[in-house]
Amino acid sequence: EAEVAQSPRYKITEKSQAVAFWCDPISGHATLYWYRQILGQGPELLVQFQDESVVDDSQLPKDRFSAERLKGVDSTLKIQPAELGDSAMYLCASSLTGNEKLFFGSGTQLSVL
Amino acid sequence: GNSVTQMEGPVTLSEEAFLTINCTYTATGYPSLFWYVQYPGEGLQLLLKATKADDKGSNKGFEATYRKETTSFHLEKGSVQVSDSAVYFCALCHSGNTPLVFGKGTRLSVIA
Repeated sequence: EAEVAQSPRYKITEKSQAVAFWCDPISGHATLYWYRQILGQGPELLVQFQDESVVDDSQLPKDRFSAERLKGVDSTLKIQPAELGDSAMYLCASSLTGNEKLFFGSGTQLSVL
Repeated sequence: GNSVTQMEGPVTLSEEAFLTINCTYTATGYPSLFWYVQYPGEGLQLLLKATKADDKGSNKGFEATYRKETTSFHLEKGSVQVSDSAVYFCALCHSGNTPLVFGKGTRLSVIA
């Protein structure tokens, strides 16, 4: 069964450093999402793409976070500079039919020291 | 704004016990409701959904009924197995591309 691929699985960095996460959605899925999940909380949407266009980035801290999906396929989420409070699981998801069914990757666990 | 409240975990049950995980929501209009499950080391997976009042979603022995009058979508299973141990998330969204709003999750541990 097709899966959403994410890398790296784990990332440890020091505050003020730059980090980047990569996501490859299921082939043919036009909608791609980046969520952040803080320990003990539910996932919260950071940014949503439809093909290469941003649909919703209202919760993305744009002073330090950026996301791109240049060719409408895979996507990169970047944090620069990382802060201690950014420690969380970063989840990528994709869908074929909007929000009715999302397929999630296993996530990237970020620890900022 | 839209929000979802789930019962706090962890929930620990013996195998074959009855499971209920409570979920209530706050939203305008008629959202669609979902349960997602996250098994250890894996991504979230859609477990079941309901898109209108009185609808019952079901999958893998789990059920949840969309109750508009009590704004609830409680998850139930008649007989849990060790393999059901996971974190369960209740979520909602409105039609179209409005974002999914998740609850905090409820961790279930089933012991043999």
